[in-house]
Amino acid sequence: SAVISQKPSRDICQRGTSLTIQCQVDSQVTMMFWYRQQPGQSLTLIATANQGSEATYESGFVIDKFPISRPNLTFSTLTVSNLSPEDSSIYLCSARDRDIFSPYEQYFGPGTRLTVT
Amino acid sequence: RKEVEQDPGPFNVPEGATVAFNCTYSNSASQSFFWYRQDCRKEPKLLMSVYSSGNEDGRFTAQLNRASQYISLLIRDSKLSDSATYLCVVNSQSGAGSYQLTFGKGTKLSVIP
Repeated sequence: SAVISQKPSRDICQRGTSLTIQCQVDSQVTMMFWYRQQPGQSLTLIATANQGSEATYESGFVIDKFPISRPNLTFSTLTVSNLSPEDSSIYLCSARDRDIFSPYEQYFGPGTRLTVT
Repeated sequence: RKEVEQDPGPFNVPEGATVAFNCTYSNSASQSFFWYRQDCRKEPKLLMSVYSSGNEDGRFTAQLNRASQYISLLIRDSKLSDSATYLCVVNSQSGAGSYQLTFGKGTKLSVIP
């Protein structure tokens, strides 16, 4: 299994500011993902973080609002920009690697709880 | 139609009861299927994969019916520690050719003493 850590675990931010969330995996993984889970909702994929290239965003999510970095195979950051109260949510990092884990098995970080005031 | 649909519950059951959760998915090309468990304010964790032949892990039994695009999870002899939200998860190939997990909203289970 993988151990995934995220920082910060929670934050309260003012609207118009930005928050950068860090994700660290304890092993090199081919695929890293960022999800959002709004209150009472399921997980929604924001983007796939690609090592050394631009992230692949899902419909409804854009790079200007959610810039993502992935400088190596164990680390990624997600920035939520120009915050509004609608961005209040839990943001989860996830990792998958078919050579290390069972095929298609994904592990999740503990999440970052963001509240925008 | 939502891609993965589940009964949201909540299911409130006494200890020792048997409870079943159902899930349907819309993408007939989906490749693999899972049940995840998410405790309150925690991240989702893989509970078990679901195979066409059905599979069992202790008190948990998962079934898949590809023809009906239906997945189930049966929990026998419920324990207080089984209280959580159970997420039905489907793995499908995305337009870019990679695989992507799609999550249901989850079914909340509360096991009562």
